[in-house]
Order: sequence, then C-alpha cells, then structure tokens
Amino acid sequence: SAVISQKPSRDICQRGTSLTIQCQVDSQVTMMFWYRQQPGQSLTLIATANQGSEATYESGFVIDKFPISRPNLTFSTLTVSNMSPEDSSIYLCSAETRNEQFFGPGTRLTVL
Amino acid sequence: DQQVKQNSPSLSVQEGRISILNCDYTNSMFDYFLWYKKYPAEGPTFLISISSIKDKNEDGRFTVFLNKSAKHLSLHIVPSQPGDSAVYFCAASFTMFSGGYNKLIFGAGTRLAVHP
Repeated sequence: SAVISQKPSRDICQRGTSLTIQCQVDSQVTMMFWYRQQPGQSLTLIATANQGSEATYESGFVIDKFPISRPNLTFSTLTVSNMSPEDSSIYLCSAETRNEQFFGPGTRLTVL
Repeated sequence: DQQVKQNSPSLSVQEGRISILNCDYTNSMFDYFLWYKKYPAEGPTFLISISSIKDKNEDGRFTVFLNKSAKHLSLHIVPSQPGDSAVYFCAASFTMFSGGYNKLIFGAGTRLAVHP
C-alpha cells in the first residue's frame, strides 16, 4: 500500500489568487493523479502526472488553470490558479501502485 | 455524461442487517470495477473490486456482484456494523493502453448509515 499526505488540509482563499497543494507519497510511484470533488458530486479526474513528462489533462481542465508539477517519484503539486468561488471543492491526489489507487486525505478549498 | 451512476444518495440500515449499495454504468468498455469507502475528512480507501470476467467477489462481510448484461453492480455488506457508516463510491475503469494505467470513473457516492 501507499500512504499519501496532502498540504494544506484546508484553506480559505480570496477570488483571483492561486493556491498550490502538495502531495507526498511514502514510496516511489510512477503514476499520480489529481481529482476534484465538488459538493455533492463524484470524484472527477483533473489530470494524470507521470514523473518526467508533462501532465495529461482530462476534458474540461487546462494547464493554465491547473498547472501540475511532478519533480520526482514521491511528490507532486497542483496549483489552482486565478481562483473563483466555482473552484471551491475538495482536491485529492492519488497514486497507483500494484494496480491499486490510494488516495490522500484531500484539501478542502473555499474561495470567497 | 455520467458513465457511472449511484442513484441512491443515502441508505439507512439497522445493525446486523444486510446493506445493499447499487451502481449502474453505461460504458461497455469498462473491465474493472471497484468500491471505495470514505470517512469524513479522509480520502477514499479501497474496499473491494471485481474484474469483468467474474460475476462475484467476496471478502469477509463484503461481496460485490456484477451483472454485465444489465451493466449493474452491487455491494453487499452483511452483517452491517455501525463502523460501516461512511460514503461508498463505486468506480469503473479500463486500462489506458497508451499510458498503461487505470483511469477511474467514479459515481457520486451513497451515504450509508448503520444504526444500532
């Protein structure tokens, strides 16, 4: 299994600002993923981050809005840029190891 | 287009009874199905899975059934315990051959409450 931590656990931000969320895995993993869970909705995949290459974004998500870094096999960051109240969500990172995905505890973001 | 649907947002069950959580999917390309359990302020944790070549998988009190013709799967918990109270997410995946990883599509979740 993999143990995943995220920072911050929650934040309240002003409209127009940006927030960077960090995700740390306790073991080396090839694939890391970033999800968003809007209130009352399912987890939606934002992008897949493979170490050493650019992230692959899902339909409806773009790099300018959600830039992702993956500098090594245990760490990734997701930035939510130029935030608006519609970005208020829980953001979760996950990592795949042995064909199973493990999730971090999530970052609860509120944009005022 | 919601490819994975959990039509019951909530379910209430008495302790000791069976809990049945349902999930429907639309994409026949899905070849692997998973159930995740989520407690408040925690990330989802993997519970049980089933491959499309099977119709049943059992792990202790948890059993998942897959009906491919109906594109339907269900999670049975028996006997239900108060500690099972959580949100349960159904997820479906198919292997992204170009990337070699499993892309998960989640349902909206069902909140299970098990009462003593």
